[in-house]
Amino acid sequence: DAKTTQPTSMDCAEGRAANLPCNHSTISGNEYVYWYRQIHSQGPQYIIHGLKNNETNEMASLIITEDRKSSTLILPHATLRDTAVYYCIVRDNFGNEKLTFGTGTRLTIIP
Amino acid sequence: SQTIHQWPATLVQPVGSPLSLECTVEGTSNPNLYWYRQAAGRGLQLLFYSVGIGQISSEVPQNLSASRPQDRQFILSSKKLLLSDSGFYLCAWREDRTYEQYFGPGTRLTVT
Repeated sequence: DAKTTQPTSMDCAEGRAANLPCNHSTISGNEYVYWYRQIHSQGPQYIIHGLKNNETNEMASLIITEDRKSSTLILPHATLRDTAVYYCIVRDNFGNEKLTFGTGTRLTIIP
Repeated sequence: SQTIHQWPATLVQPVGSPLSLECTVEGTSNPNLYWYRQAAGRGLQLLFYSVGIGQISSEVPQNLSASRPQDRQFILSSKKLLLSDSGFYLCAWREDRTYEQYFGPGTRLTVT
């Protein structure tokens, strides 16, 4: 699986949009971009994933650049409960069972 | 809706003692099941996965083993724990037709 690079930590004011970047310059054509988050002492939570097109669900939006070498996860109106470590993962979905979690971005929502 | 359970939530065991962690999934059939470990301050490491009853794949060599005696039950075991086995153990599942993995609440194991 392609390696991802994320900032170690970020702060965001409560109520503002949180934009979390991820670089995956070695991504291959059949690899998807997945985002998970892990709130302290809990299991990771699936947020969203995409291949080429931008995606949106009830939790977040995922913006993938046209060359697919980077992406941004957007939490449109951050709340204190969004404080967590956010993981960007790239993987192919063909017989690949492994989700390789890096160290992620520690997002702190400031009241 | 699907739910995933793990127990115990926390465990303190001496070095050399055996281990058995259990994971069960409700609300789905024939899920793929996974065991991950997260050491303090580090990312998750996939230990085992299973695509069906009795089918176990190991991702890393270690003194742990896994078994799947029933469709929705996944067990992580050890005959003799090491200090390095301490960590946060997470079970996850995914449906065969989708690729998102859903995680349980985890077991925090401390080997003393």
